[in-house]
Amino acid sequence: AQSVTQPDIHITVSEGASLELRCNYSYGATPYLFWYVQSPGQGLQLLLKYFSGDTLVQGIKGFEAEFKRSQSSFNLRKPSVHWSDAAEYFCAVGDSNFGNEKLTFGTGTRLTIIP
Amino acid sequence: GAGVSQSPRYKVAKRGQDVALRCDPISGHVSLFWYQQALGQGPEFLTYFQNEAQLDKSGLPSDRFFAERPEGSVSTLKIQRTQQEDSAVYLCASSLGTGVVAQPQHFGDGTRLSIL
Repeated sequence: AQSVTQPDIHITVSEGASLELRCNYSYGATPYLFWYVQSPGQGLQLLLKYFSGDTLVQGIKGFEAEFKRSQSSFNLRKPSVHWSDAAEYFCAVGDSNFGNEKLTFGTGTRLTIIP
Repeated sequence: GAGVSQSPRYKVAKRGQDVALRCDPISGHVSLFWYQQALGQGPEFLTYFQNEAQLDKSGLPSDRFFAERPEGSVSTLKIQRTQQEDSAVYLCASSLGTGVVAQPQHFGDGTRLSIL
């Protein structure tokens, strides 16, 4: 069964600093990988996704992520964070078997931005 | 509306009561998902519908949980004889197509269920 590990429960960065959120996955085949963001009291918003092809994917709000098969990782990055980026971030893996469409999420990383 | 709509936003029930949570997906979306998000955790899959057919209910934690989507649009998640461990946020998501690669899942804001 697939699984996702987000090793950092909480990260604090200064506004304007760079950001990297870690995600490791366990999946037997080629994974479909996603990053979502959740603001307090809100649902999840898709930031970016990886299915195949270029291992560096660009998303919304200036985020990008790099798929590294050798490390089973899909880390999220942003060169310069803004106060509005403070939220909970979830990495997820999707099952590639047609008909089994669920996403398996990690436990999330809470991002705090300090002035 | 333009997004996935869930109601109520908040629900408080006494242990043992039955509750019903509603999800209005984006119009025309074929796929509908329910997830349970416990405090401080990531969402966990409960069940999946393709139109009115419930294709996967492997995540439902017990037979107290029941979901339906009779006309292929609105869905209801029902929990019978609620227990304290049912306290969580219940998220609904919909997608235009089928297959995990087809479309991203659009999430509603969730229903926060508290069992006293």
